[in-house]
Amino acid sequence: GESVGLHLPTLSVQEGDNSIINCAYSNSASDYFIWYKQESGKGPQFIIDIRSNMDKRQGQRVTVLLNKTVKHLSLQIAATQPGDSAVYFCAETIIQGAQKLVFGQGTRLTINP
Amino acid sequence: EAGVAQSPRYKIIEKRQSVAFWCNPISGHATLYWYQQILGQGPKLLIQFQNNGVVDDSQLPKDRFSAERLKGVDSTLKIQPAKLEDSAVYLCASSLNHRTVLTYEQYFGPGTRLTVT
Repeated sequence: GESVGLHLPTLSVQEGDNSIINCAYSNSASDYFIWYKQESGKGPQFIIDIRSNMDKRQGQRVTVLLNKTVKHLSLQIAATQPGDSAVYFCAETIIQGAQKLVFGQGTRLTINP
Repeated sequence: EAGVAQSPRYKIIEKRQSVAFWCNPISGHATLYWYQQILGQGPKLLIQFQNNGVVDDSQLPKDRFSAERLKGVDSTLKIQPAKLEDSAVYLCASSLNHRTVLTYEQYFGPGTRLTVT
């Protein structure tokens, strides 16, 4: 069935270092991907998205890379801050149709001072 | 701009009891989603509304779960009777309109944490 998985369930980095969170997706028909950040007690919050016709997209301190050949995407966070501590989910969908998002299991990112 | 509102924030019930959750989406958002998020997992879509019509309810356990969106604004999700495995966070999200190109972003509410004992 549909599934989006993450390679690492937990990730600890030092404050100021760069973080890389990985995600593998299984539906080769997916053409749109989103990274969400979820802090404790809150709903997921949109971070950045990418369409399948791109392999890289940059935002403020974040970069998403998409490798369609191996169905893999990653989220890079530059100069991590304490406020980056959260669970990060990737989600996939197909643009046409009902836009049903399929979420992965999530990676917990912890920033050490 | 006010976000997606949900209530209650927490609910504890015994198995076989019933429970209802309420969601008020962002004003003007035509599409409303209910997700179930089990601890340690990503959210799973239960049902999606476009205005007051159902777009996708393929993963809604219809023998015990029901949802409605009267008048195309607020929505309620009900579980009757509840089972232990229904313990989860129930998230509501909304977006402008799922048929338009620029509206992929879904805005999530804080969720309702349900514990079934």
